[in-house]
Amino acid sequence: DQQVKQNSPSLSVQEGRISILNCDYTNSMFDYFLWYKKYPAEGPTFLISISSIKDKNEDGRFTVFLNKSAKHLSLHIVPSQPGDSAVYFCAASDPLNNYGQNFVFGPGTRLSVLP
Amino acid sequence: DTAVSQTPKYLVTQMGNDKSIKCEQNLGHDTMYWYKQDSKKFLKIMFSYNNKELIINETVPNRFSPKSPDKAHLNLHINSLELGDSAVYFCASSQGGYGNTIYFGEGSWLTVV
Repeated sequence: DQQVKQNSPSLSVQEGRISILNCDYTNSMFDYFLWYKKYPAEGPTFLISISSIKDKNEDGRFTVFLNKSAKHLSLHIVPSQPGDSAVYFCAASDPLNNYGQNFVFGPGTRLSVLP
Repeated sequence: DTAVSQTPKYLVTQMGNDKSIKCEQNLGHDTMYWYKQDSKKFLKIMFSYNNKELIINETVPNRFSPKSPDKAHLNLHINSLELGDSAVYFCASSQGGYGNTIYFGEGSWLTVV
């Protein structure tokens, strides 16, 4: 039972354009979300987070939007750069599940930014 | 300075062997984790320790045994390795409590032949 879904296994975007990575979740108790970036042969690196009290969080070129009613979040990267090419994971946690420390990850979306 | 470090990075071993993966964090966090990334690339939590106390123990064969000698270390010992144990194992840490970020190590690539 996949509680966090990233339905696009891959995405290709031209350099300088916007990349939009999507994530859907099924557990309505999730209210804290994180995005990670992963390069081959490395561990996931934290990018940005959002809690359910917000619908948007921005950090430089990265913005995460949360639509609680739709159980959907998205990561926008503007402008996209070749160095952004990586696998992006969405993760969620439920505050009542092991003190919110049981993070559930999506399967990832491979982003390729073409020069 | 590596925040979460795990060794070895690559490990090839035969079925039936026992092996350990070590993990150390220098972030001062009180919670540490082991995640497994399987062949389908899903990252799934295996264990979590808070101040040396086991708080998350997902459905994992009891051949896998975590050990936390102190809050900066969480080692993973695997007995009687099977082919299906081949995966990438990630150690991670966070400051305990809700709404904190988890930081991952670089991963240990385990191949059982």
